[in-house]
Amino acid sequence: QSALTQPASVSGSPGQSITISCTGTISDVGRFNLVAWYQHHVGKAPKLMISGVTRRPSGVSIRFSGSKSGNTASLTISGLQAEDEAYYYCCSYGGDSTWVFGGGTKLTVL
Amino acid sequence: EVQLLEAGGDLGQPGGSLRVSCAASGFNFDNFAMVWVRQAPGKGLEWVSTISGTGGGKFYTKSVKGRFMISRDSARSAVFLQMDNLRTEDTAVYYCARADSAVTTIDYWGRGTLVTVSS
Repeated sequence: QSALTQPASVSGSPGQSITISCTGTISDVGRFNLVAWYQHHVGKAPKLMISGVTRRPSGVSIRFSGSKSGNTASLTISGLQAEDEAYYYCCSYGGDSTWVFGGGTKLTVL
Repeated sequence: EVQLLEAGGDLGQPGGSLRVSCAASGFNFDNFAMVWVRQAPGKGLEWVSTISGTGGGKFYTKSVKGRFMISRDSARSAVFLQMDNLRTEDTAVYYCARADSAVTTIDYWGRGTLVTVSS
């Protein structure tokens, strides 16, 4: 399985919205509605922000939302805040207890 | 609160062996599959291995198959990754993680432990 494709970086000003794309193939993103997004502050444990393409775990802000069209999933963060600055990784279930990740996107809040 | 604490990261030599461990707490360990994910310097995340809740199912990414072995100890609520015949490209932060009950989403992670393979 090849890694999912994400932009290396995105940026936005406080209060704005940004969207991070995640492109896979018919064998992963396109096949399963099991795309997750993780927020990672360096040195800390990655945190699950979205599962099952659109589900927000308890405690995750409603400013975070996910979607999918074909082989591409997206994470949208609205009302950007300084604490959103982090790396974001998409991940698709690949079948048989395997997963494939994206290369990560660095979000900078200007 | 789910907690995953990795240990054992070290400097290893090409062709050598290392073993990393993960202590789990805050959940019924036997009910969940456990996962190792790694991140090489400057790279993205890469799934490495999964072990089922019973320990009977073990899965590996192609590049480590035959060299790495995942195991778990129910009495200690711990999961291990034995890494043999190390290669320089195994250099990475190794994260221990938990899969959800459906084993389709990785839902909790540890902070990782650094494994460096160099002569």
